[in-house]
Amino acid sequence: GAVVSQHPSWVICKSGTSVKIECRSLDFQATTMFWYRQFPKQSLMLMATSNEGSKATYEQGVEKDKFLINHASLTLSTLTVTSAHPEDSSFYICSASGAGSANEQFFGPGTRLTVL
Amino acid sequence: QKEVEQNSGPLSVPEGAIASLNCTYSDRGSQSFFWYRQYSGKSPELIMFIYSNGDKEDGRFTAQLNKASQYVSLLIRDSQPSDSATYLCAGHSGGYQKVTFGIGTKLQVIP
Repeated sequence: GAVVSQHPSWVICKSGTSVKIECRSLDFQATTMFWYRQFPKQSLMLMATSNEGSKATYEQGVEKDKFLINHASLTLSTLTVTSAHPEDSSFYICSASGAGSANEQFFGPGTRLTVL
Repeated sequence: QKEVEQNSGPLSVPEGAIASLNCTYSDRGSQSFFWYRQYSGKSPELIMFIYSNGDKEDGRFTAQLNKASQYVSLLIRDSQPSDSATYLCAGHSGGYQKVTFGIGTKLQVIP
């Protein structure tokens, strides 16, 4: 099956610092990558959708200047949480589509961010 | 607004029974539907997808789609404790439309 990796798997940082999370499609070229956030015991929340070489499309209520997304190639997208605060602590999950016939998304393992 | 609705559960079934998970959607333009399984603290993993009316079987899993009723279901036969997880239903309208996820149904298989 299609494999998507994320790095790091967990990160702890101080308030005010920036954190970069990488998402890679390992065995396919991803036409589109997605970034989600999930708080404990809550559902997935789509943050943004990105296509290689173009600007990300952010969901309503997501600050594009705070959550910077770069989709530099067909196999790599990065999410940078700028000036992180404790309320940004969450489980960040990326997914990628392009490997299957039905536009199905394949999810990375997620990154758990804790901001102190 | 496109919506995918699921009962959050928990749905409890005894080991060996059939678990039936249901989902309805509001967008008649939705073409493909997906079922994902998410264990606590982990990311979702794709179980199967369906885009034609009727049933689609894969091992112990059967997805059912009824476009007239805007209804999608997932049956898990011979449920095992390891099937205990949250099951997410998602719909896609094709092209560059985003996938819309339901909130997920928590399934508990009791040994």
